[in-house]
Amino acid sequence: DAKTTQPPSMDCAEGRAANLPCNHSTISGNEYVYWYRQIHSQGPQYIIHGLKNNETNEMASLVITEDRKSSTLILPHATLRDTAVYYCIVRVRVGNDMRFGAGTRLTVKP
Amino acid sequence: NAGVTQTPKFRVLKTGQSMTLLCAQDMNHEYMYWYRQDPGMGLRLIHYSVGEGTTAKGEVPDGYNVSRLKKQNFLLGLESAAPSQTSVYFCASSYEAGEKAQYFGPGTRLTVL
Repeated sequence: DAKTTQPPSMDCAEGRAANLPCNHSTISGNEYVYWYRQIHSQGPQYIIHGLKNNETNEMASLVITEDRKSSTLILPHATLRDTAVYYCIVRVRVGNDMRFGAGTRLTVKP
Repeated sequence: NAGVTQTPKFRVLKTGQSMTLLCAQDMNHEYMYWYRQDPGMGLRLIHYSVGEGTTAKGEVPDGYNVSRLKKQNFLLGLESAAPSQTSVYFCASSYEAGEKAQYFGPGTRLTVL
């Protein structure tokens, strides 16, 4: 699976959009991009995933560049409860595990 | 649905003791996984199962054994606990190993003295 690079930390003002970048320049054609988050010491929570097209669900939007070498997770209106570590994972469709890196610690401030 | 549940939530062991962590899921998922997370680090896969009666090694399997006798349960055993196994253990499940997401339990915090 391709390696991902994320900034170690980011801040965001409450109510504003949080844009979390992820670089995956070695991604191959059959690899999906997944985003999870972990709030404090809880279990990781699935957010969204995509292959090529941009995706949106009730939690977030995922924007993948045309060359697929990077992506951005967008939380449209961040709240204090979105403070968490966000993980970007690249994984082949038939892979058997999620390789979690260090992630980005997002702090939403009042 | 309760989703993925883990028992116990906390446990303290002495070196050399044994214990079993239980993971249960009520989503009829085929695949189940055990991860560990050490302070400041991401999750690492210990063992996984692709169906009832099957298990396979992950990234860090040494010192652990697993069993999947029933589809809904995945057990993680420590035969002789060591301080290096102090960690938070997470169980996850997914419907299939394709593009489907994995869903995680709340974790078990284990301390080995």
